[in-house]
Amino acid sequence: AQSVTQLGSHVSVSEGALVLLRCNYSSSVPPYLFWYVQYPNQGLQLLLKYTSAATLVKGINGFEAEFKKSETSFHLTKPSAHMSDAAEYFCAVSAYTGNQFYFGTGTSLTVIP
Amino acid sequence: NAGVTQTPKFRVLKTGQSMTLLCAQDMNHEYMYWYRQDPGMGLRLIHYSVGEGTTAKGEVPDGYNVSRLKKQNFLLGLESAAPSQTSVYFCASSYKASVYNEQFFGPGTRLTVL
Repeated sequence: AQSVTQLGSHVSVSEGALVLLRCNYSSSVPPYLFWYVQYPNQGLQLLLKYTSAATLVKGINGFEAEFKKSETSFHLTKPSAHMSDAAEYFCAVSAYTGNQFYFGTGTSLTVIP
Repeated sequence: NAGVTQTPKFRVLKTGQSMTLLCAQDMNHEYMYWYRQDPGMGLRLIHYSVGEGTTAKGEVPDGYNVSRLKKQNFLLGLESAAPSQTSVYFCASSYKASVYNEQFFGPGTRLTVL
């Protein structure tokens, strides 16, 4: 069975500071992992995905994530936070049946001016 | 290209009333999904469909029914609404049965059951 755990339901960073959002996964098979972003009152938008081609994955808006099998982690980072990064971020793992996604509980990112 | 659209955007129901949420996609996707989003619980899968005429249960299917009569549409029904079904509902679609194909999401429907 697949699942993801996001540590920290709320993260605050100063503008220009490093953003680090944590995601750990559990999977009995090689995982396929995704990060989505949700801006207020909107649907989810794909930031990036890991499909085993490369462990360091670059996404949109300057975000990237590194797949670490030994740590079962797929943390999301951005070197310098912008005010526009304030949103809810979801980590997800896909299953092999029906392409189901299992989402984490989300991390709300606040960027302080 | 509208992507995934949902109707309505907002709805208020009284306990026991019924309603249908409509999801439409114009990307010719095979797979479609209905999720509910509740604070602190992320997104949970209600039902999904792997093709026209087929549906399957997700993690939290009780109290909901679905139908996929046309490939581009996926309907979610509440036969007798309960306050516990107050939530934001998202529809999503994906191209085909591949674990690394992303899901595309609609803008959501905010449902309140009084």
